[in-house]
Amino acid sequence: AQSVTQLDSQVPVFEEAPVELRCNYSSSVSVYLFWYVQYPNQGLQLLLKYLSGSTLVKGINGFEAEFNKSQTSFHLRKPSVHISDTAEYFCAVSYQTGANNLFFGTGTRLTVIP
Amino acid sequence: SQTIHQWPATLVQPVGSPLSLECTVEGTSNPNLYWYRQAAGRGLQLLFYSVGIGQISSEVPQNLSASRPQDRQFILSSKKLLLSDSGFYLCAWSMDRVGNEQFFGPGTRLTVL
Repeated sequence: AQSVTQLDSQVPVFEEAPVELRCNYSSSVSVYLFWYVQYPNQGLQLLLKYLSGSTLVKGINGFEAEFNKSQTSFHLRKPSVHISDTAEYFCAVSYQTGANNLFFGTGTRLTVIP
Repeated sequence: SQTIHQWPATLVQPVGSPLSLECTVEGTSNPNLYWYRQAAGRGLQLLFYSVGIGQISSEVPQNLSASRPQDRQFILSSKKLLLSDSGFYLCAWSMDRVGNEQFFGPGTRLTVL
């Protein structure tokens, strides 16, 4: 079985400061990794994904994430946040075989303070 | 381009009443389809997924059911709603290939009173 852990349920950060949202996963098989963002009362939007290749993945809105296989982590970072980045962020994994189901973490609420 | 629709956007239903939420996808064929529930302050829970017409897999036993009467239509139903069914229901689709991201609809906010 695989699981996704987002230890930080809430992360407050001042505008223009850097931020890191943590994601750790456990799986006995290889996985693909995703970060999604959810704005209030909306669906989820893909920020970035890691399938293979370079462990540093760049996504939309200036976000990036680094896959660390030894630490089973896929932390999301942004060097300078904006007010508009206030949202819920979800890390997810899928198996490299099967029905392409996504398994989500419980989410991290990022609040950018002016 | 592909689009995904969900309706209604919001719904308030009494306990014990039936439920029908609809999801349709445009601009693609034979997608994988998914229903998720997001309870307040919690993550997303996969309820059902479908890899083809009439093919439904249930991830969590409960009083909900799903059907896929057409290739790009996915319906979530209940015969009798419970208070615990309240939440934000999201439909998603993906291409039938591992590693593909899922694309989410705008969601339905269900409140059971």
